[in-house]
Amino acid sequence: ETGVTQSPTHLIKTRGQQVTLRCSSQSGHNTVSWYQQALGQGPQFIFQYYREEENGRGNFPPRFSGLQFPNYSSELNVNALELDDSALYLCASSFIAGGNNEQFFGPGTRLTVL
Amino acid sequence: SQQGEEDPQALSIQEGENATMNCSYKTSINNLQWYRQNSGRGLVHLILIRSNEREKHSGRLRVTLDTSKKSSSLLITASRAADTASYFCATDLTANNDMRFGAGTRLTVKP
Repeated sequence: ETGVTQSPTHLIKTRGQQVTLRCSSQSGHNTVSWYQQALGQGPQFIFQYYREEENGRGNFPPRFSGLQFPNYSSELNVNALELDDSALYLCASSFIAGGNNEQFFGPGTRLTVL
Repeated sequence: SQQGEEDPQALSIQEGENATMNCSYKTSINNLQWYRQNSGRGLVHLILIRSNEREKHSGRLRVTLDTSKKSSSLLITASRAADTASYFCATDLTANNDMRFGAGTRLTVKP
């Protein structure tokens, strides 16, 4: 177990709806990253938060947004859901120091958009 | 877009054999990491190798990095059925401190 938890485990939504996914980071970590993993593919970087500020973003539209809280828990919000948003969403926490970016992943939230 | 590409896409071996997986990437990196994933669950970090390192070992794992060829390899020695999983390489890009994953190698170890 990595100490990173995510909720919910599974979620079913319909096209056009909004969804919020949650992540609790490992104790002592100051950074959280979110990834989208489509079936049979590798994870794709959505964005990263460092000390409550966005610290990098992948090729995802603005309807993907996030928050990081003072206790380093995090949320991923997706508005106007599309069928292609169906995927496993993974969060990963880390402590950035001197380029060592070893990340610890949560078990993921599987989102299905109908 | 995904930066890394693993090769092969799938690998099937017998228990006790060695498994070698390769990863190529496109841009300069800060470090490269290998991860394992079982059945669509969360990823487990295996090993991190920095851009100024050439080889690292961890138990039955050996990772090499050739920055001139922009490639890395993961060797699992004396494989076990429990090693059956998908293995991903991920590059930490110098500029944005984000991780870019390849599509993975699906390893099956037959008992």
